[in-house]
Amino acid sequence: SSELTQDPAVSVALGQTVRITCQGDSLRSYYASWYQQKPGQAPVLVIYGKNNRPSGIPDRFSGSSSGNTASLTITGAQAEDEADYYCNSRDSSGNPLFGGGTKLTVL
Amino acid sequence: QVQLVQSGAEVKKPGSSVKVSCKASGGTFSSYTISWVRQAPGQGLEWMGRIIPILGIANYAQKFQGRVTITADKSTSTAYMELSSLRSEDTAVYYCARAGVTTPEFDYWGQGTLVTVSS
Repeated sequence: SSELTQDPAVSVALGQTVRITCQGDSLRSYYASWYQQKPGQAPVLVIYGKNNRPSGIPDRFSGSSSGNTASLTITGAQAEDEADYYCNSRDSSGNPLFGGGTKLTVL
Repeated sequence: QVQLVQSGAEVKKPGSSVKVSCKASGGTFSSYTISWVRQAPGQGLEWMGRIIPILGIANYAQKFQGRVTITADKSTSTAYMELSSLRSEDTAVYYCARAGVTTPEFDYWGQGTLVTVSS
C-alpha cells in the first residue's frame, strides 16, 4: 500500500533516548528521509539515506531500517528537539510520500 | 549557500487560481528537482508535484492532476506552482523544496507561502 504510518505522538524525558518509527511497504525497497519541523517553520532534513546527517545536524540523531520499518533515534534528547517529525519515502508510482508525522514532547 | 525564497501570502476567492513562486540562489538550479509540498492548518505534509528544470518535465500527485501546474524559468532560477479551482480546503502553507534528480531527500526548503481561500 502507498502509506507511511507514524505514531501521532511520542514523549521522552530530557536526556533520554527516543525512537520514532515509520512503517510502510515502500520502506522494504527505499530508505526513508526524516524531517524536523518546529511551529511556524519550514521542515528541516535531519536524516537521509542509510544513516546520513546533513551538515549542522547533531550526531544524537540517527536513522535505521528493518523490513518495512524505518526509525529515527534521538540519543540524549534535548529540549530543542521538541518538534514534529515526518518520514518520507516513495509511493507505488515512485513519487514522494510523507508519513502523517509524530509530535515529540520532551518532558 | 542555497536559498529558496518564496512569494508572499495570498488571499483568494473560491474558484479562482493562485500562482506561487520559488526563487533559488546559491546552487545550480537546473541540476535539481523542485517539489511543492503543502501543509493545511494543523495537518501533515502533502506532496503535490515536482519539476526537473533542466528538462522542463513535471509530474503531479494524482490528487492534484488537472488542477496544478508546475513550471520553471531557468533564466531566473525560479519555479512556479499554480493551483486552480481553489476551494476552502486548499487553505494551507505551500512550500517549495529541492531534491536531487536521483536522490530523493529534500535538502533545502523555501520559507513557505500561506494561501488562504475564503469568500
